[in-house]
Amino acid sequence: GENVEQHPSTLSVQEGDSAVIKCTYSDSASNYFPWYKQELGKRPQLIIDIRSNVGEKKDQRIAVTLNKTAKHFSLHITETQPEDSAVYFCAASYAGFGNEKLTFGTGTRLTIIP
Amino acid sequence: DTAVSQTPKYLVTQMGNDKSIKCEQNLGHDTMYWYKQDSKKFLKIMFSYNNKELIINETVPNRFSPKSPDKAHLNLHINSLELGDSAVYFCASSQGGNYGYTFGSGTRLTVV
Repeated sequence: GENVEQHPSTLSVQEGDSAVIKCTYSDSASNYFPWYKQELGKRPQLIIDIRSNVGEKKDQRIAVTLNKTAKHFSLHITETQPEDSAVYFCAASYAGFGNEKLTFGTGTRLTIIP
Repeated sequence: DTAVSQTPKYLVTQMGNDKSIKCEQNLGHDTMYWYKQDSKKFLKIMFSYNNKELIINETVPNRFSPKSPDKAHLNLHINSLELGDSAVYFCASSQGGNYGYTFGSGTRLTVV
């Protein structure tokens, strides 16, 4: 089955600087890669996703890149703000016949230092 | 109007008891899931249902039994609760394929 590794497990960044979180996946058939943000005591919420036919996607201060050859994808947050502090999860799945499931990485606790 | 709602939000119970968690989604999605988030925040899939049919059962103990009366509801019943069952359980739904999940607010289960 799919295995997703995520690094780093914790990341502290000065407010205004950029943060990068990296993930690798094992199953070359995976074709969907979402990122979730989970604030303390809250539910995970989808912040951005990318499909395997795209190499990069951007939404305001957030961008995701995908390297299918290396089976590697990354989340980039620019101009970080205190409200970006949260746990971020990457995930991967293969869209099959109703049997798709998201396999999550182990999470990155991002702390923005004011 | 909550898209995926779970009840209860908190559940404290003694070892050996049986408990249920309910989940409902009003998004019209065909697929629903149960995920377990342990103390280290790791999110692991337990079950998925597609239009009331069990699709994924990820080597979860038989004490856990999901039930989907219709595609908008997916409940989780747990028998003979153990200390190791303490976790946050998230329900989620998806329209399937390459689309993200919408998670419920979670149920924090504490077994004492």
